[in-house]
Amino acid sequence: EAGVAQSPRYKIIEKRQSVAFWCNPISGHATLYWYQQILGQGPKLLIQFQNNGVVDDSQLPKDRFSAERLKGVDSTLKIQPAKLEDSAVYLCASSPPARGAGEQYFGPGTRLTVT
Amino acid sequence: DQQVKQNSPSLSVQEGRISILNCDYTNSMFDYFLWYKKYPAEGPTFLISISSIKDKNEDGRFTVFLNKSAKHLSLHIVPSQPGDSAVYFCAAYKPGTASKLTFGTGTRLQVTL
Repeated sequence: EAGVAQSPRYKIIEKRQSVAFWCNPISGHATLYWYQQILGQGPKLLIQFQNNGVVDDSQLPKDRFSAERLKGVDSTLKIQPAKLEDSAVYLCASSPPARGAGEQYFGPGTRLTVT
Repeated sequence: DQQVKQNSPSLSVQEGRISILNCDYTNSMFDYFLWYKKYPAEGPTFLISISSIKDKNEDGRFTVFLNKSAKHLSLHIVPSQPGDSAVYFCAAYKPGTASKLTFGTGTRLQVTL
């Protein structure tokens, strides 16, 4: 079974530029999560999708971050414009139907550096 | 506020000895607790979990202990192996429609020869 795929793996941009990350969850997984992991901290949930609907986006900085999950499969996370403090690893995770937060499978992440 | 805390950022243990990683939480609504392991340039992978109705769960070399009254859990690895060197995250959640994991800050374990 293929795992969660993310691209790109690394991205370096200047502040005020925009960037997008892509995630392809495990086939059949209804729930998809985007996390931000700043160096020295644990992953922090940004947004959670159930199929193509948003379940929780309470910690997403909506003035600059946006995310979508078209057709309930792939997802993209966008930052526009980026700030220095957005430098982090962005992790995507997915979980099977009805298994909830306790069974999440993570992708390798995208390391973003904002200069 | 930091609802899940791992106060030791790093730990070094000799191969063959026991590794003990600690985690404290403040939210008494958490029902499940998990440990994830993370290697560099990889995403976290699930290691072991425990429900709040239990005080111990064992899986091979890994055992998690939960002390609800103290809001404390620990992960024991015995014997420790060099391949166990990684960052370990404690996480917790309360089941529900919009349940989400709350992670600690992680402990970097180094198992030396």
